[in-house]
Amino acid sequence: DIVMTQSPDSLAVSLGERATINCKSSRSVFYSSNSKNYLAWYQQKPGQPPKLLIYWASTRESGVPDRFSGSGSGTDFTLTINNLQAEDVAVYYCQQYYSTPRTFGQGTKVEIK
Amino acid sequence: EVQLLESGGGLVQPGGSLRLACITSGITFNSNVMNWVRQAPGKGLEWVSEISGSGDKTVYADFVKGRFTVSRDNSRNTLYLAMNNLRVDDTAVYYCVTQFADWYFDLWGRGTLVTVSS
Repeated sequence: DIVMTQSPDSLAVSLGERATINCKSSRSVFYSSNSKNYLAWYQQKPGQPPKLLIYWASTRESGVPDRFSGSGSGTDFTLTINNLQAEDVAVYYCQQYYSTPRTFGQGTKVEIK
Repeated sequence: EVQLLESGGGLVQPGGSLRLACITSGITFNSNVMNWVRQAPGKGLEWVSEISGSGDKTVYADFVKGRFTVSRDNSRNTLYLAMNNLRVDDTAVYYCVTQFADWYFDLWGRGTLVTVSS
């Protein structure tokens, strides 16, 4: 199984500042035949189900604000939230869909400082 | 409007059984690979099972293999998860999740809580 490890486990950021979350996979999730990274990010607000934010490591889902961006390739990925808003308080998960089981990172909790 | 509505959760004793259902609307159900993902209280997300659009292919996490069975009724746009020999550590919210092609999870239901306790 591919192990996904996120860092940090939690972070507190001031409103309007930047939050950066890292995700590392135990094996590359880059598929060379189509040059895609099989990596997604999800946001889970308190009391709600997760919501897809980003797929293919950097493609925003429809309706996701452009202050959310994803980057990285191979085994190392980053979710960046620019200009943090109060509604961005949530737990963020990375997930690989390169192989089954589709494994998730342990989550990163983002709070307002 | 797309809806995924799970039901069937509840309190069950260790060793007991439950059957979850997920009624969908607003999606082309028989074209979607479907998944169950669970989340123990205060914990992270854990993939449980996947079923192909036609229902002829199923995959399970090792920790439920032999105890859980995923199925679907495409005529009713409904996904099921039959859970047997439940353990205390199966306690979780179980989410019904659609999969975009063979890739990421794009739509999530609100979940149903399964509590295994004596």
